[in-house]
Amino acid sequence: GESVGLHLPTLSVQEGDNSIINCAYSNSASDYFIWYKQESGKGPQFIIDIRSNMDKRQGQRVTVLLNKTVKHLSLQIAATQPGDSAVYFCAETWNDYKLSFGAGTTVTVRA
Amino acid sequence: DTGVSQDPRHKITKRGQNVTFRCDPISEHNRLYWYRQTLGQGPEFLTYFQNEAQLEKSRLLSDRFSAERPKGSFSTLEIQRTEQGDSAMYLCASSLDTFASPLHFGNGTRLTVT
Repeated sequence: GESVGLHLPTLSVQEGDNSIINCAYSNSASDYFIWYKQESGKGPQFIIDIRSNMDKRQGQRVTVLLNKTVKHLSLQIAATQPGDSAVYFCAETWNDYKLSFGAGTTVTVRA
Repeated sequence: DTGVSQDPRHKITKRGQNVTFRCDPISEHNRLYWYRQTLGQGPEFLTYFQNEAQLEKSRLLSDRFSAERPKGSFSTLEIQRTEQGDSAMYLCASSLDTFASPLHFGNGTRLTVT
């Protein structure tokens, strides 16, 4: 069967390696998903989004994958840099306006 | 800077006092949201405006909380008779009034109730 990534509250990654952050969302009716990055003392910063009619979307150094069958979302960061150290949240919405946030993942980049 | 602006950044108050926070959204955004975030948790929805109309309030928003957006531009969030449990980061966000328009957040107001 297909392997589904587990959500981990923390992730330590070597600088230059690729990072994969997983998220299990809650509502099968959700039709829009967003990944946010939050640094200490700041608000969540938009990274990338994806609609439910897509299964993959790429940005600059980031890729989001959506698997609606198992309600799973992942964020891949290529060539992780020290500035990528932060807490990452996935968020979903099923009513076009109210975002529901998942548990965050704290990413620490080792030099 | 044309992002979402919140004021003040930090507020320390004594239990029982009233506090008011202000949010200035991105100018072309019709939608405005308030969220609350406690340490180690993701943001939780509090309320949502479309222009000046407050369209939804979470059950998290007790009677002591009131939010306004009188002219459809900036918004205020007031907490009356603050309690220690109100200590949190209060985040404001705004977005366009279209489907799949991402929310853009401000840097929040951190409230500490002593």
